[in-house]
Amino acid sequence: GAGVSQSPRYKVAKRGQDVALRCDPISGHVSLFWYQQALGQGPEFLTYFQNEAQLDKSGLPSDRFFAERPEGSVSTLKIQRTQQEDSAVYLCASSPLLAGDYNEQFFGPGTRLTVL
Amino acid sequence: AQSVTQLGSHVSVSEGALVLLRCNYSSSVPPYLFWYVQYPNQGLQLLLKYTTGATLVKGINGFEAEFKKSETSFHLTKPSAHMSDAAEYFCAVSETGNQFYFGTGTSLTVIP
Repeated sequence: GAGVSQSPRYKVAKRGQDVALRCDPISGHVSLFWYQQALGQGPEFLTYFQNEAQLDKSGLPSDRFFAERPEGSVSTLKIQRTQQEDSAVYLCASSPLLAGDYNEQFFGPGTRLTVL
Repeated sequence: AQSVTQLGSHVSVSEGALVLLRCNYSSSVPPYLFWYVQYPNQGLQLLLKYTTGATLVKGINGFEAEFKKSETSFHLTKPSAHMSDAAEYFCAVSETGNQFYFGTGTSLTVIP
């Protein structure tokens, strides 16, 4: 079946613009995670959802970052008033069971955001 | 606090040679440990994981890793490198299963 998909794959934004990044998890997966991967770095946790509930958003770097998953499936990561330091690859991952069951997280290809 | 240190941001080996990628972690509780591989323009793919039980873990593509609690290490090895192994490798630790803490990655180059 299809894996995790993300769109757009590449996004160029001018500083100050708002952006929305979409994640389509594997169908039926309960948990969904967002990570930020800066150039030359490993992914850093941003937030995660269990169905539609956002259970942990401690990794969001500022209040300009907002994530939602209103129907427990597709998720959107929104960044308001983008800054140059927001330039990174944003990775989405989904997991079939409840977080904490140490099941594999299946990663999407990521969205590369460049803020000019 | 959880963290991961990957020694060597770039590793080069000859085709057929041993691959050794190093990972050390810190964790206040028994951790769950993972190795992921990332090919260019692709998402992270799980190579192997340690949760409980046997400390020597075998993964896909001939890779294996050994959890050594006394050394707080989880090094990744493969007896014989193949050209297709060239990629970025990430070690990760998790105490809760929710937040994964990744290392900064090791880029593996395989020389023909």
